[in-house]
Amino acid sequence: AQKVTQAQTEISVVEKEDVTLDCVYETRDTTYYLFWYKQPPSGELVFLIRRNSFDEQNEISGRYSWNFQKSTSSFNFTITASQVVDSAVYFCALSATNYGGATNKLIFGTGTLLAVQP
Amino acid sequence: DVKVTQSSRYLVKRTGEKVFLECVQDMDHENMFWYRQDPGLGLRLIYFSYDVKMKEKGDIPEGYSVSREKKERFSLILESASTNQTSMYLCASSFERAGGTDTQYFGPGTRLTVL
Repeated sequence: AQKVTQAQTEISVVEKEDVTLDCVYETRDTTYYLFWYKQPPSGELVFLIRRNSFDEQNEISGRYSWNFQKSTSSFNFTITASQVVDSAVYFCALSATNYGGATNKLIFGTGTLLAVQP
Repeated sequence: DVKVTQSSRYLVKRTGEKVFLECVQDMDHENMFWYRQDPGLGLRLIYFSYDVKMKEKGDIPEGYSVSREKKERFSLILESASTNQTSMYLCASSFERAGGTDTQYFGPGTRLTVL
């Protein structure tokens, strides 16, 4: 069965600290896709990154970086020098599969609420 | 920029009312999705549509129906609203990608309260 676990329900940090949000997934497929979304207090989910299972290169985008490790089935997200505007709920998601192939549906984790204090 | 809009940000209805939630996307996406979001449960898929007039049940379709008469518009219908349908409802859309999973883009959400 496919599953996404975000064990950290809430994290609180002080501005300028680095913070890592964990995501562990389960799937039997060799081809799959992983995503991170940000949900600020306004409510809209904002797409951050999409990664396919064949691309294990880590990615950096400004203060954001992602570490994909197939060996541990993890796709962790790090924010460097956090800012108050980073305060949001962050969701990790995995492509659902059907008959052995990735589909267009997503399975979401339960989210991690990040609070960045000034 | 992809734009997904939802008809209301906040909605208050009474038990037993029929409720329509509308979603419109402007990117010619084939796929459209309705989710509900509840604390501690993340996002759960209610229904999705991969083409006009086509629909497929998600994980929690009970008590809901959908309609897709035009490619850009996907409606979620609560035939007889109940208090346990009080939730945040999120619409999303994506391109159809054979053998893969394209990015879903989300609307701002509708917070529905059923009294």
